[in-house]
Amino acid sequence: DAGVIQSPRHEVTEMGQEVTLRCKPISGHDYLFWYRQTMMRGLELLIYFNNNVPIDDSGMPEDRFSAKMPNASFSTLKIQPSEPRDSAVYFCASKEGVQPQHFGDGTRLSIL
Amino acid sequence: SQQGEEDPQALSIQEGENATMNCSYKTSINNLQWYRQNSGRGLVHLILIRSNEREKHSGRLRVTLDTSKKSSSLLITASRAADTASYFCATDENQGGKLIFGQGTELSVKP
Repeated sequence: DAGVIQSPRHEVTEMGQEVTLRCKPISGHDYLFWYRQTMMRGLELLIYFNNNVPIDDSGMPEDRFSAKMPNASFSTLKIQPSEPRDSAVYFCASKEGVQPQHFGDGTRLSIL
Repeated sequence: SQQGEEDPQALSIQEGENATMNCSYKTSINNLQWYRQNSGRGLVHLILIRSNEREKHSGRLRVTLDTSKKSSSLLITASRAADTASYFCATDENQGGKLIFGQGTELSVKP
């Protein structure tokens, strides 16, 4: 099993640019989660999907953030425009039903 | 907001010693889970304990849950240098999708 695949692993971009993070969940998993991890705030849930439908986006910081899941095997998290305070490690996780979550290795995002 | 508060924030021990990490939470839960994170990697699920369970074992791991005190502990016995990682508790309130993670305990095991 390939596990949850995130791309890119590292992203460095300038303030104001659009950033797109990508996630391929484990095949057969019906839940997908996006998290952000920083030293100051720890691991925060941004949004999660069930069967490709957004269920809870209360953790999305502001309108600059958006997430989509066009099909069961792909999701994106977009930041437009990006700001330095968005610098963090972004994780995608997936799970099947009531089973535990499986995490990808994250995208380390630096906004200059 | 973070539900789980973990204690200690950092722990340094020698190989062979036991490591105990604690987690407290605020609301009623369906289950509590422990995850491990190695530097630069994603979180890996270790063990899940349901609200009607008091203790659970998995290999060198022992988890306890006290719902009256809203607290849990993770014990790693006979620690190894490879156990060096951050450990997080996470609470699931209704067996739905959402987990709330604690701030984590950074464990360092010296050879």
